[in-house]
Amino acid sequence: ETGVTQSPTHLIKTRGQQVTLRCSSQSGHNTVSWYQQALGQGPQFIFQYYREEENGRGNFPPRFSGLQFPNYSSELNVNALELDDSALYLCASSTMDREAGYTFGSGTRLTVV
Amino acid sequence: AQRVTQPEKLLSVFKGAPVELKCNYSYSGSPELFWYVQYSRQRLQLLLRHISRESIKGFTADLNKGETSFHLKKPFAQEEDSAMYYCALPPWGSARQLTFGSGTQLTVLP
Repeated sequence: ETGVTQSPTHLIKTRGQQVTLRCSSQSGHNTVSWYQQALGQGPQFIFQYYREEENGRGNFPPRFSGLQFPNYSSELNVNALELDDSALYLCASSTMDREAGYTFGSGTRLTVV
Repeated sequence: AQRVTQPEKLLSVFKGAPVELKCNYSYSGSPELFWYVQYSRQRLQLLLRHISRESIKGFTADLNKGETSFHLKKPFAQEEDSAMYYCALPPWGSARQLTFGSGTQLTVLP
């Protein structure tokens, strides 16, 4: 059984640039969720993808967008980066069972300068 | 709206002492809460869930609906328990996300 893998592990971008983060879900999981974890805070929900479509969204602007592919892997895209976008971005995979646990990746540390 | 509150950002105890990490929730329905743990330089992982009523690594958590609490307890803390702990609510209704508290950093002193 493979876990959730995220790439890259670290990234430095300049304000105004665009970034793409990648996530491979755990075997057997068909749902991918993305979270933003700012320093000293708990993870905040960005959105979830199921069957290649956005299946729920948190309080994040449209410049945060995503994709899910037929193999259930996913991308998070952020346009027009702002300094406040600096955070750890976590990907979590699961099934649609609400009571099932989520398997998290190690995250991508994004720094916007 | 569902919400999770962890009132302590930092908690230090000595090895062998009891530890309790507090979690209070606001939830419209019958909650099934989780505790997640993040050890230094490791990924966030599920520690225990209310529905399974398991004891993992000596930790237990009891749901108190009257007090809307789900405190995490361990009778004798170990140094390897030092980590960041998050209480979380599962999705409910049309929501799709886990709702996390802000976390408590537990340090177990030798």
